Amino acid sequence: NAGVMQNPRHLVRRRGQEARLRCSPMKGHSHVYWYRQLPEEGLKFMVYLQKENIIDESGMPKERFSAEFPKEGPSILRIQQVVRGDSAAYFCASSRGTAQGKLFFGSGTQLSVL
Amino acid sequence: TQLLEQSPQFLSIQEGENLTVYCNSSSVFSSLQWYRQEPGEGPVLLVTVVTGGEVKKLKRLTFQFGDARKDSSLHITAAQPGDTGLYLCAGTPGSNYQLIWGAGTKLIIKP
Repeated sequence: NAGVMQNPRHLVRRRGQEARLRCSPMKGHSHVYWYRQLPEEGLKFMVYLQKENIIDESGMPKERFSAEFPKEGPSILRIQQVVRGDSAAYFCASSRGTAQGKLFFGSGTQLSVL
Repeated sequence: TQLLEQSPQFLSIQEGENLTVYCNSSSVFSSLQWYRQEPGEGPVLLVTVVTGGEVKKLKRLTFQFGDARKDSSLHITAAQPGDTGLYLCAGTPGSNYQLIWGAGTKLIIKP
């Protein structure tokens, strides 16, 4: 009974490259949330998706960032033309229904932009 | 803007001592959750409190939700090195699915 799987665990990119972060939710979960965390800080909401739909992307920068959760396959958080300020830990969480706190988190992807 | 403030930001104590950390807001939350996060891992849900005044116990951890549902506390009795981690509180402002997160309390228990 696998939990939320994120890959890669660590991703190093040079400025201007693209970063793709993947998240496979827990079995039976159709709601996916992406969060960003800087060292010594809490989590900042980025985007909430259900299968094939973006429900709320209010926490995601309008430029360079996009997210999808296709009918088949993992959810993808894509960052184009990365800059140093994008360096952070990106966590994905999933839930069976709307969150109300019952979120299960992956181990995160640590993105480092050189 | 709804905020959750956690205090202290950092706490380092000896094994066996008791401690309390706090999560405060000026806003009302319909529920509040506590998570523990270890380095390099995602947060893990410890408890959800829903009713004002509610107290929940998880072994040596006691969680309390304020009567007005604006604040919460986590008390650990006889802390152990395994309790070391970042403790995060997160609140649900009404029926909204979004969670508002505190910045966390970094707890270190020294053997």
